[in-house]
Amino acid sequence: VQLVQSGVEVKKPGSSVKVSCKASGGTFNIYAISWVRQAPGQGLEWMGGFMLTYGTANYAQKFQGRVTITADESTSTVYMELSSLRSEDTAVYYCATLTDVGSMDHWGQGTLVTVSS
Amino acid sequence: HSVLTQPPSVSGAPGQRVTISCTGNSSNIGAGYDVHWYQQLPGTAPKLLIYGDTNRPSGVPDRFSGSESGTSASLAITGLQAEDEADYYCQSYDHSLSGRYVFGTGTKVIVL
Repeated sequence: VQLVQSGVEVKKPGSSVKVSCKASGGTFNIYAISWVRQAPGQGLEWMGGFMLTYGTANYAQKFQGRVTITADESTSTVYMELSSLRSEDTAVYYCATLTDVGSMDHWGQGTLVTVSS
Repeated sequence: HSVLTQPPSVSGAPGQRVTISCTGNSSNIGAGYDVHWYQQLPGTAPKLLIYGDTNRPSGVPDRFSGSESGTSASLAITGLQAEDEADYYCQSYDHSLSGRYVFGTGTKVIVL
């Protein structure tokens, strides 16, 4: 499985960003797609995910109400939209395939989102 | 803040053995949820190193091994090599309201 993400984004505070993650190669085996972000010099943080089997999304409590994860099965693409952006949202955003045991075994290349006025 | 605690750094000379601890609580590791480990080289995406506490994906050298006991887990690297210098993260599931999938704070492995 390969995951290819959309490119670099520069956004103003208060705006929204939508990052895509296109899967190829064995997509029928994918259980779910998770989104993980990493602020500069910081650790990894799980934001939420989309369970392809059930067509449902779940989110980390921290991002509830600000993040929306959707999927377009026809193009094998999952989207993560984050709204009301602030400078603290500046980070690299990764998508990753989530297995049924909870590990993330394939990762996208990451998308840098910079929030700056 | 992360609910899984790791030491900020560990170091060792080439050929030595180093271990990285990952301490959780009764709502994650202690509840029996699997622990997974990732290696992140500078400027790259994380790579799955260990899944299900002790299992290595295809292609991961057997120098890397995982274990779990109670509310903690550990990653061991034997025969340390220069290319092992990277950041390492543990990850598990947490059934509390704070989130679902949680990562450790991360550990920098320094090869002396």
